[in-house]
Amino acid sequence: DQQVKQNSPSLSVQEGRISILNCDYTNSMFDYFLWYKKYPAEGPTFLISISSIKDKNEDGRFTVFLNKSAKHLSLHIVPSQPGDSAVYFCAASGTGNTPLVFGKGTRLSVIA
Amino acid sequence: EPEVTQTPSHQVTQMGQEVILRCVPISNHLYFYWYRQILGQKVEFLVSFYNNEISEKSEIFDDQFSVERPDGSNFTLKIRSTKLEDSAMYFCASSLRGAPNTGELFFGEGSRLTVL
Repeated sequence: DQQVKQNSPSLSVQEGRISILNCDYTNSMFDYFLWYKKYPAEGPTFLISISSIKDKNEDGRFTVFLNKSAKHLSLHIVPSQPGDSAVYFCAASGTGNTPLVFGKGTRLSVIA
Repeated sequence: EPEVTQTPSHQVTQMGQEVILRCVPISNHLYFYWYRQILGQKVEFLVSFYNNEISEKSEIFDDQFSVERPDGSNFTLKIRSTKLEDSAMYFCASSLRGAPNTGELFFGEGSRLTVL
């Protein structure tokens, strides 16, 4: 039962270009969404989040867009840098005592 | 910067043996979690812990698993009798707030468990 889906296991982008990572969710009770970045041999680290009352949140080079009607969110990284190469996990939480649910992750490779 | 620390970084054990994974969460955090990631798969929720008791657990967290906060700083995950399918990377996490506004979880670097 995949409540949070990241359908692209990998993505390659040229340095300086935009990286777009996508995430879909099925549970309409989710109201808070987060992106985590994970380097090899490290734990996930928080990147950016968005509440369901918003449709966009921006933090420097990172912007998350939320389309509630489509149950879709995306992470935009612009410009992409080689240090952004990592696995990116989409996560969601809902009302009540629900824990974070993670997607399978998308491996981003930024090529110099 | 405060961080979540986990020990051991890697443990190899025989099937049927007991394993204890240890975590020191960030000191002022109140909510504690264990997640695991089987190689190539998604990060899966195991259990959350607040106010010295389990607040939520997944189907994975069966009777073979237990958690404890024995001394107010450490947060441990015990697997009583390990199975081959328990081989995974186990991540401890902590947060200042809990659901529904869980917000940012701070993860440790993970403990890799290999069951032979």
